[in-house]
Amino acid sequence: KNQVEQSPQSLIILEGKNCTLQCNYTVSPFSNLRWYKQDTGRGPVSLTIMTFSENTKSNGRYTATLDADTKQSSLHITASQLSDSASYICVVKNSGTYKYIFGTGTRLKVLA
Amino acid sequence: SAVISQKPSRDICQRGTSLTIQCQVDSQVTMMFWYRQQPGQSLTLIATANQGSEATYESGFVIDKFPISRPNLTFSTLTVSNMSPEDSSIYLCSVEPGVNEKLFFGSGTQLSVL
Repeated sequence: KNQVEQSPQSLIILEGKNCTLQCNYTVSPFSNLRWYKQDTGRGPVSLTIMTFSENTKSNGRYTATLDADTKQSSLHITASQLSDSASYICVVKNSGTYKYIFGTGTRLKVLA
Repeated sequence: SAVISQKPSRDICQRGTSLTIQCQVDSQVTMMFWYRQQPGQSLTLIATANQGSEATYESGFVIDKFPISRPNLTFSTLTVSNMSPEDSSIYLCSVEPGVNEKLFFGSGTQLSVL
């Protein structure tokens, strides 16, 4: 069954600290994996897209990793800021159906 | 890239009424997607809106409940019909301008049904 599971469900960290969010998937066949940031009351905004051959991709303070063998991805946020408070959603595209499978997200709260 | 204007941003509706949500894209796109995001849940695809043909609905979603229009390559509407409190959710439209490009989302419509 095509599934995307994220952990933790929620996370609270202090401003300036680093954190890592996890994503495990069982989607097959795999096309690509994306991380999105969703602020409250807004639509998701793309952070990174990774294909099968990519292990790491950075976007500013966000660094995503992908291990296609173990079907795991992580999103590392460096030197967190208050504006990082949001939900982070892992999305995997199935190359057979062309459908996107969404994780339930990790709700991050950054405190001053 | 694509910029999507979605409206309304939120609405509170009475049971049994209908609400139409609009999405306008700043560029021509072949397919537009409509998603529902229930509280604490992941995004669930409702249907894919194709210009010039009927929308393709996912399992559990039917045209009578969620009629979709796609009159041209930059615009689509989703209607939530005969609403009940269970329809309270965020509804999002989305486009993928190119293969394996980013998915771009509208800002969402927060719907509350009383």
